[in-house]
Amino acid sequence: GDSVTQMEGPVTLSEEAFLTINCTYTATGYPSLFWYVQYPGEGLQLLLKATKADDKGSNKGFEATYRKETTSFHLEKGSVQVSDSAVYFCALSDAPSGGYQKVTFGIGTKLQVIP
Amino acid sequence: NAGVTQTPKFQVLKTGQSMTLQCAQDMNHEYMSWYRQDPGMGLRLIHYSVGAGITDQGEVPNGYNVSRSTTEDFPLRLLSAAPSQTSVYFCASSKPGQTYEQYFGPGTRLTVT
Repeated sequence: GDSVTQMEGPVTLSEEAFLTINCTYTATGYPSLFWYVQYPGEGLQLLLKATKADDKGSNKGFEATYRKETTSFHLEKGSVQVSDSAVYFCALSDAPSGGYQKVTFGIGTKLQVIP
Repeated sequence: NAGVTQTPKFQVLKTGQSMTLQCAQDMNHEYMSWYRQDPGMGLRLIHYSVGAGITDQGEVPNGYNVSRSTTEDFPLRLLSAAPSQTSVYFCASSKPGQTYEQYFGPGTRLTVT
């Protein structure tokens, strides 16, 4: 079945440092890929998405590129802020087929940014 | 819009007790889902619904029941709570064709002793 692999962390960075959170996946077919973010005490929110190979998703300074050859979707940000402290989930979903597409989530990576 | 709301925020149950976790959304989304979040395991799908009167099982349905009598509400029932059901429960809603873009509630933290 489909699966997503990411490190659990925590990842601790100083403010303005460069962030990379690795994500690799296993899937049949051609899934869409996503990053969700969970701020403390809240539910998950969609951060960015990419629906086909070589697509780059971006939002709030975060970027991730869909790499089919390496089955990866690594999350990057050039300069993190304390407000970016959260848990980040990599996820995938089958291509739309008109019905309910289940989303497979990774275990989540906790990011702590210190001033 | 309130989005997706869940009650209660916290709950402690004894083994064998039953309870219902409430979930409501005001976005007129047809699809709704229940997940549990456990350390080291990410989110796992319990049950989902594609519309009023239609529900289906997810990855970990045992010990849970759902029903969907209206578009807005999707309660999750624990029939006889077990310590293995200690978890954080999230309800989410989405539109058809955009299931990946799920709108999550704030969660219910359940402890079963």
